[in-house]
Amino acid sequence: SYELTQPPSVSVSPGQTASITCSGVQLGDKYASWYQQKPGQSPVLVIYQDTKRPSGIPERFSGSNSGNTAALTISGTQAMDEADYYCQAWDSTTVVFGGGTTLTVL
Amino acid sequence: EVQLVESGGGLVKPGGSLRLSCAASGFTFNSYSMNWVRQAPGKGLEWVSSISSSSDYIYYEDSVKGRFTISRDNAQNSLYLQMNSLRAADTAVYFCARDVRSGSYSGDYTFDIWGQGTVVTVSS
Repeated sequence: SYELTQPPSVSVSPGQTASITCSGVQLGDKYASWYQQKPGQSPVLVIYQDTKRPSGIPERFSGSNSGNTAALTISGTQAMDEADYYCQAWDSTTVVFGGGTTLTVL
Repeated sequence: EVQLVESGGGLVKPGGSLRLSCAASGFTFNSYSMNWVRQAPGKGLEWVSSISSSSDYIYYEDSVKGRFTISRDNAQNSLYLQMNSLRAADTAVYFCARDVRSGSYSGDYTFDIWGQGTVVTVSS
């Protein structure tokens, strides 16, 4: 079965750029999406189809996808961006989520 | 306001059954594929099942195949998940989620609207 691998944790200082990666075999041939989830809340879609931002998502969130790696980049990271982030893709007949990355802003 | 509201969760014994419901409002329900995603306590997101707008395409995660059944009633703007032969490993918050695209699609789902979730606990 297809797998997506994320680092368990990423730390960033306020105002700096955070990058969260998601690796999978030939992931660049698929669409990658990213979700933000804060404690006790439902997930929020922040990036879909590799680079698109849903309405209401700040411009500091951007995405890329090439080769075996997709990435979520948060520019000018704010304290409110501290959350768990999940990548997601479609493989054959299944939805696949990465294991999640906890972003700490300190 | 676009909204999804799940219901039907609860405490059930191993081997038991539950039927989850998801009531949709604020959008044209019959134009969107719908999905169930779960999250075990302290764990990550896990996809469970998807159904296309007209129920032409239905998919399940391997561990629930043969035990769970997804369905929808477009006249009632509702999505369902019938869960049978429940196991402790099925304990989770179950979210209903909408595909980001309007139209008939056979896959490649992405979830732009999520409900608040309903808690399913399988324990003796």
